[in-house]
Amino acid sequence: GAVVSQHPSWVICKSGTSVKIECRSLDFQATTMFWYRQFPKQSLMLMATSNEGSKATYEQGVEKDKFLINHASLTLSTLTVTSAHPEDSSFYICSARLAGGRGELFFGEGSRLTVL
Amino acid sequence: GENVEQHPSTLSVQEGDSAVIKCTYSDSASNYFPWYKQELGKRPQLIIDIRSNVGEKKDQRIAVTLNKTAKHFSLHITETQPEDSAVYFCAPYSGAGSYQLTFGKGTKLSVIP
Repeated sequence: GAVVSQHPSWVICKSGTSVKIECRSLDFQATTMFWYRQFPKQSLMLMATSNEGSKATYEQGVEKDKFLINHASLTLSTLTVTSAHPEDSSFYICSARLAGGRGELFFGEGSRLTVL
Repeated sequence: GENVEQHPSTLSVQEGDSAVIKCTYSDSASNYFPWYKQELGKRPQLIIDIRSNVGEKKDQRIAVTLNKTAKHFSLHITETQPEDSAVYFCAPYSGAGSYQLTFGKGTKLSVIP
């Protein structure tokens, strides 16, 4: 099946710093990727839809200036958490749709962010 | 947008028994209905899905049934095993073109040996 790789798996940073998370589709091209955030014991909440070559579409309540998304190629989308604060600590997961397939989404391994 | 409700939120069953999780949705235009399994700290994995032109789909011990009229679909796991313990999410497709999924709140399934 299609493989989506996410990096890093774990990251700890100081409050006020920025963190970049990468999401790569390894064996297919993904024109659309999705970024989710998952707090402990909660469901996945869609943050934004990342479109290759254009601006991301953010969900209501998600600050686009804080969560910068770049989808510069058909295999890479990045999420940058700017000026991170402890409340940004969460599990961030990306997914990509396999074009031409049944439409199912494939998920990255997730990135656990801890902001001290 | 899509309003998704999933029940129950927690479910405990004895090993070998069956488990059923139900998901209701609001968008009558939804036409793709997947179920994902997520183990602690890991990525969600698609375990079964169904499209609106089919009423039931089965894959070994796992089955999904769809009632489009009532706008709900259910996950059925038979002969449960300890390794089935996880959180299960339904995620009906609610948009056009981009396959943007709205996830239910999840059901924590515990299979007791």
